[in-house]
Amino acid sequence: KNQVEQSPQSLIILEGKNCTLQCNYTVSPFSNLRWYKQDTGRGPVSLTIMTFSENTKSNGRYTATLDADTKQSSLHITASQLSDSASYICVVSATGTASKLTFGTGTRLQVTL
Amino acid sequence: DAGVIQSPRHEVTEMGQEVTLRCKPISGHNSLFWYRQTMMRGLELLIYFNNNVPIDDSGMPEDRFSAKMPNASFSTLKIQPSEPRDSAVYFCASSLRQGRGNTEAFFGQGTRLTVV
Repeated sequence: KNQVEQSPQSLIILEGKNCTLQCNYTVSPFSNLRWYKQDTGRGPVSLTIMTFSENTKSNGRYTATLDADTKQSSLHITASQLSDSASYICVVSATGTASKLTFGTGTRLQVTL
Repeated sequence: DAGVIQSPRHEVTEMGQEVTLRCKPISGHNSLFWYRQTMMRGLELLIYFNNNVPIDDSGMPEDRFSAKMPNASFSTLKIQPSEPRDSAVYFCASSLRQGRGNTEAFFGQGTRLTVV
């Protein structure tokens, strides 16, 4: 069964600090992995997309990594800001199943002063 | 483009009533998805349309749920009769299907449904 597990479930950090969110998946055959940011009361918005051959991809202060061998991905946030407070969702799709996105349940991040 | 537009943003209804959620996808997109999000289960795909045709409805929880896409610019998700356990946020998303893959899915702001 295709599954995506994220950790931690929730995280509180001080503004300016860095943090790393984890995603483990068992989706096969793997096509791509996306990290979404979901602000409270809004729909998810894509941050990065990574394919099998990509190890690292950055989007501003967000850096995603992918290890296709161990089926793990991480999202690193540098110099966190209050506006980073949101849920971060890891989404994996399998080859040939455009409609079948497997979602993690997300990590809820709170950045405080 | 205004993005994916959903209405209403909030809906409170009594158990047993019919509920209709509406979605306008991004112009030019040919794939449309309905998702349900709860704290316990996260985001779950309910149904997927491609070129207005339902391709995968295996996520529709039961016969009380139905979805239609009469044209490329409009879709509805109907619950009849509604039950308290249907309370959730319902998201519509659209994307462009090219070949065997889809481009990024863009989500609407969701409809928060509360059934009392």
